Amino acid sequence: DAGITQSPRHKVTETGTPVTLRCHQTENHRYMYWYRQDPGHGLRLIHYSYGVKDTDKGEVSDGYSVSRSKTEDFLLTLESATSSQTSVYFCAIAGGQRTDTQYFGPGTRLTVL
Amino acid sequence: ILNVEQSPQSLHVQEGDSTNFTCSFPSSNFYALHWYRWETAKSPEALFVMTLNGDEKKKGRISATLNTKEGYSYLYIKGSQPEDSATYLCALRSNDYKLSFGAGTTVTVRA
Repeated sequence: DAGITQSPRHKVTETGTPVTLRCHQTENHRYMYWYRQDPGHGLRLIHYSYGVKDTDKGEVSDGYSVSRSKTEDFLLTLESATSSQTSVYFCAIAGGQRTDTQYFGPGTRLTVL
Repeated sequence: ILNVEQSPQSLHVQEGDSTNFTCSFPSSNFYALHWYRWETAKSPEALFVMTLNGDEKKKGRISATLNTKEGYSYLYIKGSQPEDSATYLCALRSNDYKLSFGAGTTVTVRA
């Protein structure tokens, strides 16, 4: 298995509170991604990173911010959590070759009350 | 974000039977197509990365074909087993290394 961990694995929080999810990799891959899982939509890209301090928005980036200060860590922050952000969040990593697979972390289940 | 469609949304197959389903995508500027197997309460597991028109990949009883000119890929499961029950996702990778996922095909294998 690719060396990807996510923390926390489960979190319950209240509307309006800030939340930060962490993705950590030991593979030294250049690309890192945050997705959310939504019924009927599969996986939707929130933000991704193509290098340290290099990030870009995905399909559903409103209400989320990211940071990548070192290769191995990619943080996802919900500045003020809302109930619509209740979801399972997956981190993924990938190398820079065309044939490289994108590997997924175990997921974080976030509930916003 | 690229429009990736999968059909059918779900299917039921009897144990031992074979089945197949489709992933459709825009054929222009094709870069790569990914297939994943996703079991409930787990993370997606990579099956194949396909890059060339006419590509055929195989992993055990699961295989996939790719037609980049017409914009589709088929996934085949031969002799379905209960452990094949999962959601199968396809995703189109663009040259900026982002993946656009289809909504998946959920396969239920009945014993």
